[in-house]
Amino acid sequence: QLQLQESGPGLVKPSETLSLSCAVSGASVTSSPYYWGWIRQPPGKGLEWIGSISYRGDTYYNPSLKSRVTISVDTSKNQFSLRLSSVTTADTAFYYCARPTVTPPYTFDPWGQGTLVTVSS
Amino acid sequence: DIQMTQSPSSLSASVGDRVTITCRASQSIVNYLNWYQQRPGKAPELLISGASNLQSGVPSRFSGGGSGTDFTLTISSLQPEDFATYFCQQSYTTLPYTFGQGTNLEIK
Repeated sequence: QLQLQESGPGLVKPSETLSLSCAVSGASVTSSPYYWGWIRQPPGKGLEWIGSISYRGDTYYNPSLKSRVTISVDTSKNQFSLRLSSVTTADTAFYYCARPTVTPPYTFDPWGQGTLVTVSS
Repeated sequence: DIQMTQSPSSLSASVGDRVTITCRASQSIVNYLNWYQQRPGKAPELLISGASNLQSGVPSRFSGGGSGTDFTLTISSLQPEDFATYFCQQSYTTLPYTFGQGTNLEIK
């Protein structure tokens, strides 16, 4: 059974870089045809797709965040990571990792439990 | 980007009620519409894919419909565990995927 688990600092200072990891169990991050993704949710608000990475390392980012986002895979730890640079208070949110499915209708399933990242000095 | 608009934003209902949540896309998305349930303090879970396909383990009181720009999620007889927030998501265009703002279903 595929399971995802986020980890990383819960507090980041403005202008710094947010870094999170998502540990994957039940599959290899480099196995075809898996993709992996990040989604965030400001407290009390809606969901925003941040980006995805394929098993081959191809990346796809939300144009609204593209200049600040990097998603990568760490095969030695079977995990994938998110880096978001130059954060502001607007980046305060619950961050979820999730598996985008690769066949129509392209869902996100499953999701990790989520981790709250607060941007504050 | 394709904008997804849900209505209502919040809804109060009683156990046993029939409720319908609507999701409208800013352009046709055919049937590339998915629904998620998010219980308080939990991650979203996939309920329905492709507008009307119930995921394994989801009770049959849930149903989805629609195509093009207008979609519905209906719960035929509300149970206590159904009080949650529901999100729609379009996957017709994947750059970017977009979600509705959510519908908070509360106990009356």
